[in-house]
Amino acid sequence: DGGITQSPKYLFRKEGQNVTLSCEQNLNHDAMYWYRQDPGQGLRLIYYSQIVNDFQKGDIAEGYSVSREKKESFPLTVTSAQKNPTAFYLCASNPRRELGLTDTQYFGPGTRLTVL
Amino acid sequence: EDKVVQSPLSLVVHEGDTVTLNCSYEVTNFRSLLWYKQEKKAPTFLFMLTSSGIEKKSGRLSSILDKKELFSILNITATQTGDSAVYLCAVGKGGGSNYKLTFGKGTLLTVNP
Repeated sequence: DGGITQSPKYLFRKEGQNVTLSCEQNLNHDAMYWYRQDPGQGLRLIYYSQIVNDFQKGDIAEGYSVSREKKESFPLTVTSAQKNPTAFYLCASNPRRELGLTDTQYFGPGTRLTVL
Repeated sequence: EDKVVQSPLSLVVHEGDTVTLNCSYEVTNFRSLLWYKQEKKAPTFLFMLTSSGIEKKSGRLSSILDKKELFSILNITATQTGDSAVYLCAVGKGGGSNYKLTFGKGTLLTVNP
């Protein structure tokens, strides 16, 4: 089946530890995104990548890092510098817009990160 | 600064009621407006709107965009308990490597039997 997978579903981390969230897609989409969602809030953009080996900071990139070594994969690392990392993290993807394809972003099931 | 504002933030209705959810925006280099439904986990796509005045419809849901007044509405008729969810509005801006979505905070809709 085509789609976006995120793992793990739930993640617990001690303060001061880095942790990496996985996002994989087999939709052949060029663009991938990471969002953070807090209770009662919409989605806030952390990082995005329109093409392999290139990515841009979103609105709340501080304390996070990403890599895009393969088209299918866009892992997000939550570093110890992120002051309030407990949140629901969503990964999304869509085809490149300049190819005349849809703007629609498709989402993975999310990872709920809790810092203890 | 880009803004996407949804109202109301929450709404409780009875089955069979009709609801209208609102989304206003102030975004530079507007490209499109999207509506998503979020139940427990991942948002699922409902509509994408790019042109003013053209209604998009899917079953009991419909949506329209006004690019002059900078808002969109999402209508749900004959609501059912399965419509209970957070409805998210997002505005797409930029092009090429700069394309991204800005989301509103969402409207929590609760449909009681």
